[in-house]
Formats: sequence, structure tokens, C-alpha cells
Amino acid sequence: QQQVKQSPQSLIVQKGGISIINCAYENTAFDYFPWYQQFPGKGPALLIAIRPDVSEKKEGRFTISFNKSAKQFSLHIMDSQPGDSATYFCAASTGGTSYGKLTFGQGTILTVHP
Amino acid sequence: GAVVSQHPSWVICKSGTSVKIECRSLDFQATTMFWYRQFPKQSLMLMATSNEGSKATYEQGVEKDKFLINHASLTLSTLTVTSAHPEDSSFYICSAKIAGVGTEAFFGQGTRLTVV
Repeated sequence: QQQVKQSPQSLIVQKGGISIINCAYENTAFDYFPWYQQFPGKGPALLIAIRPDVSEKKEGRFTISFNKSAKQFSLHIMDSQPGDSATYFCAASTGGTSYGKLTFGQGTILTVHP
Repeated sequence: GAVVSQHPSWVICKSGTSVKIECRSLDFQATTMFWYRQFPKQSLMLMATSNEGSKATYEQGVEKDKFLINHASLTLSTLTVTSAHPEDSSFYICSAKIAGVGTEAFFGQGTRLTVV
């Protein structure tokens, strides 16, 4: 019920291409969906987040698409750069006092070739 | 703003000893902090939720007597791994939530624990 499933496990794209990572969830009580970027040996850093009352959110090169009926959300990285090479995690949390208590997806290792 | 600092960044300890990891919110008050564990090439798994002035809430399967959590102030939570064993070697990461404000929790840089 609490699981968040993420795919693909790894992704290789060329510089300038679009990177797409997908996540699916089961718990309909989830109402906050962030994406994190993590470099080796570092803590995760928030990239972008969305609430289920909107279907899309864009910040710079990063876009979240959200499909509430399908219980799926995805991260699109436009014009991917070698510096984007990292591990990306989707996550979800329920509301109220549970905000910040995150259930993470399995992670996607993104490699952007120059 | 919203900086969370963990100390130490890495630690090596002998099997059977205890090690303490600190998580500090540097520029905000955090009534709630979260502790995660991350094994190599795996995801982050929530271990416990730490609330200032009260006992921590542990996730299923996490030994509360082994992973002691103290949240004595609004800016500091500590995780003590007691009687550490090699299987406790992992990357421990904390996050802190700004008191009374919305959704985001801010992550520390993590602590790499190696038990030899």
C-alpha cells in the first residue's frame, strides 16, 4: 500500500536529449510527490514537487507530469546535460503531520553522454 | 536558508562499539526530523520519525533499542547505533521539517558508517 514503483532502473541519454523517469503508486492518500536528485556520497536534493490538484508543473528544464486517475507521475528532463548524471528518486507522502515522511521509489541512475 | 547539517560525514568504528550521528537544522526550527538508511545502490528507507521532546516513532522492522534516537531541541536530533556490527554499515541520512510549515523536508548530506 505504501510502495512507490519507479522505472527504469537505469537510463542513458545523449546530451541535449530528453530523460523520462516514471513512477506509480497505490496509496490514494498520498498527496505530495517530490523528485530528488542524488550524487554519490551526498544526501538527496529536492528538484521539483507536485500536488495532485495539478497535472503538470515545470521548473526550468524539469517537468513533472501527474496522472491522478492512473496513479502515475513522471519526471521529464529537457536538454539533458552531462551534469545531470545522477540518481533520481521519486517519492510520496501523505498530508498533515506526515508531510516530510517520504516513501521513495527504487531510484533511476541517469547517465548523460556528452 | 533551510540547511541541514549532519556530523560526522563518515565514521569507521569497531564491531561492538556505539556511534552517534548528529543532525542539525542550522537556520530553522524543526519539530520533526526523519532518519533514513540507504544501502549501496539502493533506495532510502525510513527508519524513524523524531519529534522534539517526545519518543521517536520507529518503522516496522527497525530495532529501537539498537538505533537510539534523541530529539532534545528544535535544532538537533541524534541517532546512536548501539553495539554496531558490520551489517549496520550503511549511509544514514536525516531530514528536517520546518515547524508548522507545509510539505518539504530538507535533507542532510548523509553519514557513511563503516563497521569493521
